Amino acid sequence: EVQILETGGGLVKPGGSLRLSCATSGFNFNDYFMNWVRQAPGKGLEWVAQIRNKNYNYATYYAESLEGRVTISRDDSKSSVYLQVSSLRAEDTAIYYCTRGGSPFAYWGQGTLVTVSS
Amino acid sequence: DTVLTQSPALAVSPGERVTISCRASESVSTLMHWYQQKPGQQPTLLIYLASNLESGVPARFSGSGSGTDFTLTIDPVEADDTATYYCQQSWNDPPTFGGGTKLELK
Repeated sequence: EVQILETGGGLVKPGGSLRLSCATSGFNFNDYFMNWVRQAPGKGLEWVAQIRNKNYNYATYYAESLEGRVTISRDDSKSSVYLQVSSLRAEDTAIYYCTRGGSPFAYWGQGTLVTVSS
Repeated sequence: DTVLTQSPALAVSPGERVTISCRASESVSTLMHWYQQKPGQQPTLLIYLASNLESGVPARFSGSGSGTDFTLTIDPVEADDTATYYCQQSWNDPPTFGGGTKLELK
């Protein structure tokens, strides 16, 4: 059974940084691209970042609106993916979901809530 | 970025047929996918590549379309289908989502 678990969310002050983690199991992590998708309270879904697998040289892609403030990385030995977000703003307040694969996003974690507030 | 436009909300009675539309600002071929999101839960994949039913999804759900116009159909609608439905394209980078259609049952 595919399992995806995000952690690392919480309350952070504007200008602060956060590192989100996504632990996975139940599939061969090395074979898959991984993504982060976020959802602001009461709003729709927004793709944030993707990291490809070793076959694609771990290429990374970012939403233009966040580029320069986010870094996606992975550790294949731990079947985990990470999202470092810096210079956080109130508008970054959202649930951050980890999803498997290139599109479609067939598997999603439960998400981790990031709240940016003073 | 490719903009996907969905109607904000629909209200139908159980047993009826409902169609949810998604219009793309440019062609996405058939690389359109549909998700269901119930309150407090993560999205789940319903339809991929415009018309393919994800494993485990009831056959009441179906998808159609190509190019710029796509439709998700639920027939018949059941009470459990109360949710927000999102379309998502993967033909153009970056992947983008529609704003979601909130389906309410009368």
